[in-house]
Amino acid sequence: DAGVIQSPRHEVTEMGQEVTLRCKPISGHDYLFWYRQTMMRGLELLIYFNNNVPIDDSGMPEDRFSAKMPNASFSTLKIQPSEPRDSAVYFCASTPGGAPQPQHFGDGTRLSIL
Amino acid sequence: GENVEQHPSTLSVQEGDSAVIKCTYSDSASNYFPWYKQELGKGSQLIIDIRSNVGEKKDQRIAVTLNKTAKHFSLHITETQPEDSAVYFCAAARAPNDYKLSFGAGTTVTVRA
Repeated sequence: DAGVIQSPRHEVTEMGQEVTLRCKPISGHDYLFWYRQTMMRGLELLIYFNNNVPIDDSGMPEDRFSAKMPNASFSTLKIQPSEPRDSAVYFCASTPGGAPQPQHFGDGTRLSIL
Repeated sequence: GENVEQHPSTLSVQEGDSAVIKCTYSDSASNYFPWYKQELGKGSQLIIDIRSNVGEKKDQRIAVTLNKTAKHFSLHITETQPEDSAVYFCAAARAPNDYKLSFGAGTTVTVRA
């Protein structure tokens, strides 16, 4: 089991640029979650998918953020245009679903917007 | 929505002593309570979880207790070791109706050698 894989691990870019974060969930997991972690706000859920369909995107901060899951093994979180306040660590997690099950987290993408 | 509060925000203990972290939740329908450990530069890893049909669960040096009436749950780490130093998060969810985890703000635990 390779775990949840995120890329890149680190991203530094200038404000106004488009940023794309990638996630590969654990095979067979039906649910995928995107989180943002900052010192001020802790871990915030941005959006989650079930069987590739977005279920709840109420945590997406604004229209500059978008997420897609074109297939069961890949998801992207895009920020366009990026702003310095988007600097954070972004985590992806997945879980099988069914009875209560733990979420398995990737190691995150540390994003710095200059 | 669910609101999870976690205390303390920082905790320093001497190696070998016990550490206790407490969380309260607001939604009485929550039924799943995991605890995660996050080490520097890593994603959160599940260390123990408890479902609402039990009051206590133990795994070696780690135990979790749940009081549904009072809507609080606690993590207990006994015989702490330097490798227990990390940030710990509690969470709550209403699985399977809702798989969203509501996280506490985290507790930074430092184990002094």
